Amino acid sequence: EAGVVQSPRYKIIEKKQPVAFWCNPISGHNTLYWYRQNLGQGPELLIRYENEEAVDDSQLPKDRFSAERLKGVDSTLKIQPAELGDSAVYLCAVPVRGANTGELFFGEGSRLTVL
Amino acid sequence: AQKITQTQPGMFVQEKEAVTLDCTYDTSDQSYGLFWYKQPSSGEMIFLIYQGSYDEQNATEGRYSLNFQKARKSANLVISASQLGDSAMYFCAMREKQTGANNLFFGTGTRLTVIP
Repeated sequence: EAGVVQSPRYKIIEKKQPVAFWCNPISGHNTLYWYRQNLGQGPELLIRYENEEAVDDSQLPKDRFSAERLKGVDSTLKIQPAELGDSAVYLCAVPVRGANTGELFFGEGSRLTVL
Repeated sequence: AQKITQTQPGMFVQEKEAVTLDCTYDTSDQSYGLFWYKQPSSGEMIFLIYQGSYDEQNATEGRYSLNFQKARKSANLVISASQLGDSAMYFCAMREKQTGANNLFFGTGTRLTVIP
């Protein structure tokens, strides 16, 4: 079983404003991923957590993006300040338990529009 | 180099007909997995089918089958008996063992439209 709750579903902000997205893997998972999906593209990995440790953040633009998973459960992804090019859907995902294929279960995503 | 290439931005298929969505991949890893996900207009990513690099038989899941040609590095999705609800974006993805636990690399997707 896997379940991922993300909020907010939609966010519209002006450029240079900060924004934060929240992810709760409700079934409890050691591994958690943040992906970004630009319009007309496939999702791209931003960061992977193993418990509270970020084990792969090579694709995270560290000048303006930050993420945390303090207790190894919920995670937040922050952008400060936001730029026009950050408009995208931010997806949180966890591995499906019992699936040894590596299948990921995705949340519904947070759609960000930067004006 | 792109790890996953989907060369069909859009495809049309008549209802009840079969359609093939193309996917080629690039990896030097011997152990890898290939996935197809469906993304309806509502935005959620729905897992459809998986093929492991060592699997000798093509994967099948209901109306979905994966035409795995290892030598050609292709993993095409075949949808049989298309239904109107199949209209969506379809993404091919790959997991490489060497890059770590379950990091998926996605292609750019194919938008499938089923015509009544």
